[in-house]
Amino acid sequence: DSGVTQTPKHLITATGQRVTLRCSPRSGDLSVYWYQQSLDQGLQFLIQYYNGEERAKGNILERFSAQQFPDLHSELNLSSLELGDSALYFCASSVEVAGATDTQYFGPGTRLTVL
Amino acid sequence: GENVEQHPSTLSVQEGDSAVIKCTYSDSASNYFPWYKQELGKGPQLIIDIRSNVGEKKDQRIAVTLNKTAKHFSLHITETQPEDSAVYFCAARKSSGSARQLTFGSGTQLTVLP
Repeated sequence: DSGVTQTPKHLITATGQRVTLRCSPRSGDLSVYWYQQSLDQGLQFLIQYYNGEERAKGNILERFSAQQFPDLHSELNLSSLELGDSALYFCASSVEVAGATDTQYFGPGTRLTVL
Repeated sequence: GENVEQHPSTLSVQEGDSAVIKCTYSDSASNYFPWYKQELGKGPQLIIDIRSNVGEKKDQRIAVTLNKTAKHFSLHITETQPEDSAVYFCAARKSSGSARQLTFGSGTQLTVLP
């Protein structure tokens, strides 16, 4: 158990809908990363938040957005869903100490199926 | 941006044999290289990592080597066991600057045959 929790574990929805994925980082970790894992694209970085502020963006679609709340949990919002958005979505957290190469710990993921 | 290539995509070995997975990276500024193991239905789990000031690191049956000049790093698993069967991902990251996201290789499905 990495200490990172994600809910829900599975999500099935229809095209055009909107969903919210939730992540709680490990205790003490300030940084949250979101990754998408699909069969043909592997693990792709979407977005990073650090202590409530967006720090880096990867290949995140404009239909997707995220935020990190004062209690450090994060939510990933996916809207106008398309079939191709079906994937595993992982959140990872790290303590993010300046100058250090700290470990990213991954949660168990949310499997999104868009029908 | 960084690009990480990983080979082979699938690897089958007999129990007790060694397994080697290789990765190359493109950005010479990358200085942190973790390896993750992902079992079916679970999230990636860190198994070993190496920083660019070190050439080799071992942890029991697992070792990682890094060649900065050639920009490649490898995972070595000795005395493989059936529970080593999983997908293994290499990754690379820069630790300078504010962005510390990992760039992953495409993964290797390792099967250890009993």
